[in-house]
Amino acid sequence: EDKVVQSPLSLVVHEGDTVTLNCSYEVTNFRSLLWYKQEKKAPTFLFMLTSSGIEKKSGRLSSILDKKELSSILNITATQTGDSAIYLCAVEVYGNKLVFGAGTILRVKS
Amino acid sequence: GAGVSQSPSNKVTEKGKDVELRCDPISGHTALYWYRQSLGQGLEFLIYFQGNSAPDKSGLPSDRFSAERTGGSVSTLTIQRTQQEDSAVYLCASSHGLAADTQYFGPGTRLTVL
Repeated sequence: EDKVVQSPLSLVVHEGDTVTLNCSYEVTNFRSLLWYKQEKKAPTFLFMLTSSGIEKKSGRLSSILDKKELSSILNITATQTGDSAIYLCAVEVYGNKLVFGAGTILRVKS
Repeated sequence: GAGVSQSPSNKVTEKGKDVELRCDPISGHTALYWYRQSLGQGLEFLIYFQGNSAPDKSGLPSDRFSAERTGGSVSTLTIQRTQQEDSAVYLCASSHGLAADTQYFGPGTRLTVL
């Protein structure tokens, strides 16, 4: 059974801190790994990773995939209260099916 | 429309009743997906449509769940004889073709089964 595991389950930091969120996966037919940010109901897309070792960056957020270790990390530097959200990791398997992890709840305190 | 819309936004029903959830995808998007998010859980894939056909129904949790899409646009997810464990947020997403990184999510329908 395809599985995506995220850690930690929740995290509380202070503004300005740097955080690292983890995602590991066991799937039968890996195509890509995606990160989403979910603030209310609708997840919004952050990154899509297909190649190992290539970092994707968007402002203070960055992510990298390690296909050998079957994992990915999402880094957020200089955190702000607006970064408070659930961060979801998903792996695209055959066709266009996404298998999601349970998410990491991040709370940034001012 | 400007984004994916879903209705109703909230639905409270009694155990045993049937419910219909509606999704309006972004105009021109050929692929449409349904997910379920239970409290404290990640998103669970239910079904996706390419046009009007559903090549993958593997995620539907039981035969009480069904979905259809007509005219390549609006989709309805029907849950018959609802149970309390069906309580969740049901999210719909659409994309232009089969591209995982371009799935746009709707706001969801929060279903509560009493």
